[in-house]
Amino acid sequence: QLVLTQSPSASASLGASVRLTCTLSGAHSNYPIAWHQQQPLKGPRFLMRLTHDGTHIKGDGISDRFSGSSSGAERYLTISSLQSEDEADYYCQTWGTGIHVFGGGTKVTVL
Amino acid sequence: QLQLQESGPGLVKPSETLSLICSVSGGSVSNRNYFWGWIRQPPGKGLEWIATVDYSGSPYYNPSLRSRVTISVDTSKNQFSLKLGSVTAADTAVYFCARLDCTTTSCHAFFDAFDMWGQGTTVIVSS
Repeated sequence: QLVLTQSPSASASLGASVRLTCTLSGAHSNYPIAWHQQQPLKGPRFLMRLTHDGTHIKGDGISDRFSGSSSGAERYLTISSLQSEDEADYYCQTWGTGIHVFGGGTKVTVL
Repeated sequence: QLQLQESGPGLVKPSETLSLICSVSGGSVSNRNYFWGWIRQPPGKGLEWIATVDYSGSPYYNPSLRSRVTISVDTSKNQFSLKLGSVTAADTAVYFCARLDCTTTSCHAFFDAFDMWGQGTTVIVSS
């Protein structure tokens, strides 16, 4: 079964960096994912598409402060130089033949 | 710039059918490079995929909702729609429509990322 696992929360200080992790189920460790940001009371925003080798393609207008990387079944989103507007929920998404799956989301708090 | 706008009744009675429309501007639902989908978010919870449709109207459904869901595309109105039958309080959620990017993938064989989202519409199921 295709499953994505995310930690429920993460926090870091203003101006610091934070790395979020999205873990694919074992049989699907080479799958690509997407990262989406959802600010409070808004719809999600596509950040990037990330492959198993760490290649990532960002959406239009996405800041260079957002980057992606991969290791095995883990997909990472790193946010550098944290700003107050980065306080949001971050969801990973993957897909298969005729199916989409979302992780449970990580709430990022900027201290 | 592509824009997606959800619309529909904000309140639906239990056991009735929820009907939503996603109007697309700045792009065409007939474009073979994209599919179109619905995702929902119950209060305080995460995102759940509901259904996806391709440019010709071929549907794909979340197995857990398949028996109650119909997705369709209307190329003449440049919109796509969702119907969810026999609703209960558990169907209360914000419903989002989104575009599936198939420019580098044959999405008929293997889906890809949702790359554009609507702002969402709140649906409450209550008598």
